[in-house]
Amino acid sequence: EIVMTQSPATLSVSPGERATLSCRASQSVSSNLAWYQQKPGQVPRLLLYGASTRATGTPARFSVSGSGTDFTLTISSLQSEDFAVYYCQQCNSWPWTFGQGTKVEI
Amino acid sequence: EVQLLESGGGLVQPGGSLRVSCAASGFTFSSYAMGWVRQAPGKGLEWVSIISGSGAGTYYTDSVKGRFTISRDNSKNTLYLQMSSLRAEDTAVYYCAKRDLIFGVVIVWGQGTLVTVSS
Repeated sequence: EIVMTQSPATLSVSPGERATLSCRASQSVSSNLAWYQQKPGQVPRLLLYGASTRATGTPARFSVSGSGTDFTLTISSLQSEDFAVYYCQQCNSWPWTFGQGTKVEI
Repeated sequence: EVQLLESGGGLVQPGGSLRVSCAASGFTFSSYAMGWVRQAPGKGLEWVSIISGSGAGTYYTDSVKGRFTISRDNSKNTLYLQMSSLRAEDTAVYYCAKRDLIFGVVIVWGQGTLVTVSS
């Protein structure tokens, strides 16, 4: 099983600032990685997947980089609606696995 | 509009069984692989199982192999998860998930159904 490790566990930022979230895989997952956002009490929502594909409705301020084992999700200018927990997930080999999440807070 | 509506969650004793269902609408159900993702209270996400569009292919995470069975009825646009020999650690919200045609990602989530395993 591929283990996904996200850092930091919590990221404290101010609105308008840039946020950088990391995700590391225990072995290469190529570009088979996705990012989800989950707000309190809500269902997760797919943000981006593959090399750089945005899901429907994902704003352009969200971008991804990386391949192999190291990935980064960048939110260029945090908006109030972006404060949430973010999960990465590899879909390179079953069982597909999630990271433990990064909470982005004020 | 694509919708996934789970049902069947509830309280069950350790060692017991439960079946959760997911009624799908708004898309050609048989064309998509479907699955179940769970989230224990206050914890992260875990893929539990996935089934191909035809139902011929099924996959399970190791912790549920031999205890859970995923199935689908394409004539009823419904996905099922039969859970047996339930343990306290199976307590979670179980989300029905529509898989992307190419990538193994969830493009549509249901609202979830809570399964609580406790005596």
